[in-house]
Amino acid sequence: DTAVSQTPKYLVTQMGNDKSIKCEQNLGHDTMYWYKQDSKKFLKIMFSYNNKELIINETVPNRFSPKSPDKAHLNLHINSLELGDSAVYFCASSPFNQRVQETQYFGPGTRLLVL
Amino acid sequence: SQQGEEDPQALSIQEGENATMNCSYKTSINNLQWYRQNSGRGLVHLILIRSNEREKHSGRLRVTLDTSKKSSSLLITASRAADTASYFCATDAKGTGGFKTIFGAGTRLFVKA
Repeated sequence: DTAVSQTPKYLVTQMGNDKSIKCEQNLGHDTMYWYKQDSKKFLKIMFSYNNKELIINETVPNRFSPKSPDKAHLNLHINSLELGDSAVYFCASSPFNQRVQETQYFGPGTRLLVL
Repeated sequence: SQQGEEDPQALSIQEGENATMNCSYKTSINNLQWYRQNSGRGLVHLILIRSNEREKHSGRLRVTLDTSKKSSSLLITASRAADTASYFCATDAKGTGGFKTIFGAGTRLFVKA
C-alpha cells in the first residue's frame, strides 16, 4: 500500500546507455513531479505533470524525456547517459491547486550511478 | 539562484536539547513548507505555514514565518536520536503552467544519544 513507488531503487549503468525509471502513485493525485538530488543533497525540480499534461519543464537536457501514460504514472526516460547524470531521482505527487503549492508526497528515490 | 537557503548547513546536538534551523528566501511566497529526509530515503512533509500566518505548531515542531524578512525557522524541542536527518525548507514559485517547489540546500541535523 505504498503511496508513491519508484522502480528500480538502484540503477548502475555505463555511459551512453539509455535507461528508464518508473513512478506510480495510488493517492489519487492529479500532479506528479520528477526531482534530481545531487551529491550535495541539493534537490531540483525537473518536470511536473498535471493529469498527464506537462506543466513545468525546467532547463533539463533533451536526453531526459518524461512520459505520463495516465495520471497515476510518470516515467522518466534518459538517453545517452552521462557521468553527470549520476544522482538520486525522486518522484513526487500532490493534489492540483492553481492558487498555491500543495504538500508533496515523495517516493523512496532511484539511485542512478553512471560509470 | 536558490529560493530557499537553510542555515546552518549542519548542526550537532545532544539528545534532549532543542534544535533551531533557519531558512531565507528571495521572492514573495504563498506558503512555506518544511520537509525531513532520513538518510537514503525520500522527503517527508513536516509542516506547512501560509504567508498570512506567523507561527505554527505540530507536536515538538514549531515553525515561524517572517515575511518582512523573508525568513522562517524550524524549532525541534527535546530532540531525540531519531530526529537525525536533513531538513529542507521549500517555497513555491509560480510558473507558466503551475507551481514549482524550490527547495533549499538543507540543514543536516545530528542528534547524539
